[in-house]
Amino acid sequence: GNSVTQMEGPVTLSEEAFLTINCTYTATGYPSLFWYVQYPGEGLQLLLKATKADDKGSNKGFEATYRKETTSFHLEKGSVQVSDSAVYFCALYYGNNRLAFGKGNQVVVIP
Amino acid sequence: GAGVSQSPSNKVTEKGKDVELRCDPISGHTALYWYRQRLGQGLEFLIYFQGNSAPDKSGLPSDRFSAERTGESVSTLTIQRTQQEDSAVYLCASSLAPGGYEQYFGPGTRLTVT
Repeated sequence: GNSVTQMEGPVTLSEEAFLTINCTYTATGYPSLFWYVQYPGEGLQLLLKATKADDKGSNKGFEATYRKETTSFHLEKGSVQVSDSAVYFCALYYGNNRLAFGKGNQVVVIP
Repeated sequence: GAGVSQSPSNKVTEKGKDVELRCDPISGHTALYWYRQRLGQGLEFLIYFQGNSAPDKSGLPSDRFSAERTGESVSTLTIQRTQQEDSAVYLCASSLAPGGYEQYFGPGTRLTVT
């Protein structure tokens, strides 16, 4: 079936550090890929998306590239801020009326 | 404009009781989704509504779970005879249309079954 795997465990880093959160997926064909973010006390909101291979989604300094050859959609940001502290979810959509989510990664940015 | 709203925000109930959770989607959004988020887990799909079509109930974990939607407006998720394993955050989302359109999520209802 269609599934998403995110790296285990929370991520703690200092302000202005480089952030990478790994996401790999299993799906037949070409799903659409998403990163959602959940800030403390708020609902999930879409951060960025890519709908076909080699597309790069970007928003708020975050980027992710849809890599068909490695079935990956890793999230990166060059210089994180304290305000980026949140839980980040990778998700895919494959035409079956639902998003399939990874387990999420808590990111804590220390001043 | 207003986003997706859910009520209540928190619900504590005793095992065996029934609970009803409410979702108000964004006006004009034809597609509505319910997901469940257990502690430390990703979101699990529960049910999907699209207009007046028959809902996709394939994600409901047991027959204790049911959901209704009136046209393209409010939806309610009902859990009968709650069990402790039903404790989770229940999230509702809506989208302008079905397919890979952006899903807008509500803040969720945190259900605790004691």
